[in-house]
Amino acid sequence: SAVISQKPSRDICQRGTSLTIQCQVDSQVTMMFWYRQQPGQSLTLIATANQGSEATYESGFVIDKFPISRPNLTFSTLTVSNMSPEDSSIYLCSVGASGETSYNEQFFGPGTRLTVL
Amino acid sequence: DAKTTQPTSMDCAEGRAANLPCNHSTISGNEYVYWYRQIHSQGPQYIIHGLKNNETNEMASLIITEDRKSSTLILPHATLRDTAVYYCIVRVPGNTPLVFGKGTRLSVIA
Repeated sequence: SAVISQKPSRDICQRGTSLTIQCQVDSQVTMMFWYRQQPGQSLTLIATANQGSEATYESGFVIDKFPISRPNLTFSTLTVSNMSPEDSSIYLCSVGASGETSYNEQFFGPGTRLTVL
Repeated sequence: DAKTTQPTSMDCAEGRAANLPCNHSTISGNEYVYWYRQIHSQGPQYIIHGLKNNETNEMASLIITEDRKSSTLILPHATLRDTAVYYCIVRVPGNTPLVFGKGTRLSVIA
């Protein structure tokens, strides 16, 4: 299994500012994913982040608003730019399992709880 | 879009079996059924997956109908710690991301 940590665990930000969320994995992984979970809602995929290439964004999410970096196989960042109260959510990092169980599981970090005032 | 339909919520008495249904009538031949759960304030956790045969592990059992259009996740002896949102997801195995539906909120009651 993969152990994923995220920083910060929570933050309260002012509208118009930006926040960068860090995701660190304890092993090298090919695919990393970023999700958003709005209050009381299910998880929505923001983008897929592959090392060495541009992130692939889902419909409704754009790079200018959610720039992503993936500098190596164990680390990624998601920036929430020019924040508004509607960006208040939990942001989760996730990785696909590697090795023999690569088709089985996806592991999730603990999430970053963001509140925008 | 999610390809599954689940009840919004369910209650279960502590110590009893919790049976969570899922409809996936448009499932294709190479898609597996996966179950994850999300305990409050945590990231989702893998429970079990299956293709067409029933599966069991230390956490749960998965019963898939013969036509594969529906399945049931069974927690044989529910505890208070099983209170969570349970997600049924169909997908082709590989490094494609999970797509979550609304899930079922299971409340285990003492």
